[in-house]
Parts: sequence; C-alpha cells; structure tokens
Amino acid sequence: GQNIDQPTEMTATEGAIVQINCTYQTSGFNGLFWYQQHAGEAPTFLSYTVLDGLEEKGRFSSFLSRSKGYSYLLLKELQMKDSASYLCAGGRDDKIIFGKGTRLHILP
Amino acid sequence: EAGVTQFPSHSVIEKGQTVTLRCDPISGHDNLYWYRRVMGKEIKFLLHFVKESKQDESGMPNNRFLAERTGGTYSTLKVQPAELEDSGVYFCASSQRGWGEYTGELFFGEGSRLTVL
Repeated sequence: GQNIDQPTEMTATEGAIVQINCTYQTSGFNGLFWYQQHAGEAPTFLSYTVLDGLEEKGRFSSFLSRSKGYSYLLLKELQMKDSASYLCAGGRDDKIIFGKGTRLHILP
Repeated sequence: EAGVTQFPSHSVIEKGQTVTLRCDPISGHDNLYWYRRVMGKEIKFLLHFVKESKQDESGMPNNRFLAERTGGTYSTLKVQPAELEDSGVYFCASSQRGWGEYTGELFFGEGSRLTVL
C-alpha cells in the first residue's frame, strides 16, 4: 500500500516549536518530501530526504527513518506566516504521492 | 524566470459541458505532471509527461479526461463531459532531471479551480 498518514490539523503559538509527524506504509519510495502550501497558492518545496537522520535547513528540519516508515517536519521559532498546510509525500520513480496534509494554525 | 503557469485560475461549468485546462511549465523542464485535489482529500497524481510522451497515466480517473502535450512544451487537460465529482483544484507541476543526483523538487503552478454545477 501507499498510505501516508499525518494529522489533519495542529495549533501552535508564535515563537514556539512544532513537530508534524508523518507515517507511511509503502515500498519503493526513493525519498520523502515535505511541501508547504498556503491557502489558494501553489505547494512549494521544503525538503527531500533519502537517508535516515535529521536534516536542518534554517528554521525547518526534516527527519526520516526508512525502517520505521516515519518522518517529521520540525518548525522552530514559529512565525505567523508559517500558518499553512504541510504536505508529506513519498517519491517513487518520477512521481510524488501526497498525504492529505496537516493544516497548521499559528496563534499570536 | 517565469514559474509554472496555469489557465484558467477558476472555471465554473455545468455538468455535461467541456473544459480545457492549460499548463505552461518552466522553460526547459521535460517532466510535466498533472495532479488534482478534491475537497478534503489529498493531492492525487493524474499523469506524467516526459517531453511529449505520456510516461505514466495511471492516475487518470476515466476516459472523460484527456491530456496532451504536443511538441513537449505546454500541456492541456480536457474534461469531456464534466461531472459533478470532477470539481476540485487541478495542479500542474514540472521538473527537470539534471545530471547527477535527483533533487526531487517539483515546481507547482497555482492550480486551476474547477467547479461543476
């Protein structure tokens, strides 16, 4: 199967840290993506991870455990502009399979 | 550099009518994808072009959907005849596999919202 599961919604406070988890049950994924999508806009690429471990990129970090079928996106020092949907996706061959996304609400 | 552009941004049609969506990928990108997001569900893969060839069309819902990419540049997605369940946002994305490691990034357009009444 290719189920990709992530929480539907999360709420966090400006300046805080939030972790968005993603689990997947699939075979053949080359890597794991995270995309950000603001309402009414195009999804934009955040990260692509093919190896286990944590990758840090500014305020955003992504973690992958291939054996556990688990990834998370860590957002630090949250800003109001981080309010968006965060899409976990698996890459297989030349296409990307998306989860439903997690809508993140940031409170002042 | 221009990004992926899609037209129209929003289309409202009646059941049974025909709609054609257009996507202009980033210049030089050989890979072009169509995705669709129905309300409340995930963004779902429809098909993938490499230049003008259909690499994978396993996600196309049925034969009412026809995608073309003549000349390997822009692509069109035609829905004929449209049904109520076709309502959603249709995203186009493009990528260019460069030499070396595949970075995996897809560049998305802002989507064409289709409403079928």
